[in-house]
Amino acid sequence: GAGVSQSPSNKVTEKGKDVELRCDPISGHTALYWYRQSLGQGLEFLIYFQGNSAPDKSGLPSDRFSAERTGGSVSTLTIQRTQQEDSAVYLCASSLYHGGEQYFGPGTRLTVT
Amino acid sequence: EDQVTQSPEALRLQEGESSSLNCSYTVSGLRGLFWYRQDPGKGPEFLFTLYSAGEEKEKERLKATLTKKESFLHITAPKPEDSATYLCAVQGGNYGGSQGNLIFGKGTKLSVKP
Repeated sequence: GAGVSQSPSNKVTEKGKDVELRCDPISGHTALYWYRQSLGQGLEFLIYFQGNSAPDKSGLPSDRFSAERTGGSVSTLTIQRTQQEDSAVYLCASSLYHGGEQYFGPGTRLTVT
Repeated sequence: EDQVTQSPEALRLQEGESSSLNCSYTVSGLRGLFWYRQDPGKGPEFLFTLYSAGEEKEKERLKATLTKKESFLHITAPKPEDSATYLCAVQGGNYGGSQGNLIFGKGTKLSVKP
């Protein structure tokens, strides 16, 4: 069956611009997660959704980061006024229920110049 | 604070040379320990979940074990296609208000030479 998909696969943007990253979870998975992976660092939790609500936004690094999920399915992560330190791979994962095994997408590599 | 430490950071093996990767953890109320494999340019691929000390799981040349303080990923007679970064993550029951979220280690990069 179809796995988690993310788009775009690569994004190069200029400092100060806004970007939107998209995640399509596995059909039927109620929980959706966003992570960030920087070179040499582990996966950093950003936010998770249960259905359309986000009970835990504790990992968002600043108020420039926001995310939404609609229809209990697709999610977008928006970064406003991008900075060079935002350059990383952004990974999305979904699970059948919160606390279950998470299945990851291929990621979006964001480069801020 | 919940924490996961993986060692070694990198491991080079000859094909057929068995070894083990270590994942040490500190967590309030372990709900699960997860192993993932990540190939370059790809997202992590789920391998195993372990829930309680003494539990073991196997898949092909990989076997994961769990104690109260650490987990091992044993690789028996590895092949070049086993080369990847192996990630360990824990799921705590009392991690602030974030029950169910995974806390990842930085991974062990495994290279298997033919």
